[in-house]
Amino acid sequence: EVQLVESGGGLIQAGRSLRLSCAASGFTFENYAMHWVRQAPGRGLEWVSGLNWKSERIGYADSVKGRFTISRDNAKNSLFLQMNSLRDEDTALYYCAKDVDASIGTPSMDAWGQGTSVTVSS
Amino acid sequence: QSALTQPPSASGSPGQSVTISCTGTSSDVGGYNSVSWYQQHPGKAPKLLIYDVTKRPAGVPDRFSGSKSGNTASLTVSGLQTDDEADYYCNSYAGSNSVVFGGGTKLTVL
Repeated sequence: EVQLVESGGGLIQAGRSLRLSCAASGFTFENYAMHWVRQAPGRGLEWVSGLNWKSERIGYADSVKGRFTISRDNAKNSLFLQMNSLRDEDTALYYCAKDVDASIGTPSMDAWGQGTSVTVSS
Repeated sequence: QSALTQPPSASGSPGQSVTISCTGTSSDVGGYNSVSWYQQHPGKAPKLLIYDVTKRPAGVPDRFSGSKSGNTASLTVSGLQTDDEADYYCNSYAGSNSVVFGGGTKLTVL
């Protein structure tokens, strides 16, 4: 069974940093692209960042470009999101999501974690 | 990276069909056959319903179907059931390693 378990969220002051992790199991992690998607309270889904299986192709939403960094450790079946210079508008539930493919050129997320909550206070 | 446009709400009676649209531009929906649709029940993680415009993952009923014409993709839910009441989101590849979601549509089964 595919499992994605996010961790690292919490209450943080604006301007500070936080690192999210996603532990994957139940599939061959290194074969698939991965994404971070967030959902602010009462709002819709927003793609944050994604990377292909070899970390050669990496993309970011304009809203986080230059502040967030996505990475993966295929040996440890883990995905990460380093979030710097956090803002109030980054407050959201952050989901880790598995793609159906190795590439991020056909974004289709067929497995999701339960999310980790990030609250940024000013 | 502008969000794709979806109607905020849609509704239908049990047994009926409803179609939800997802409008983008030639830089996203119209430029790639990479539109996916997701269903999200309150308090739950999203679930993939359709990918690559028309494909259904294993386990998704054929009551759910997808299509695309120009810059607009569509999700049709046939034979509406009460459990179909949920939020629905589309997404598309938008070039340069970026992805964009629609604003979401709340489907009510009357």
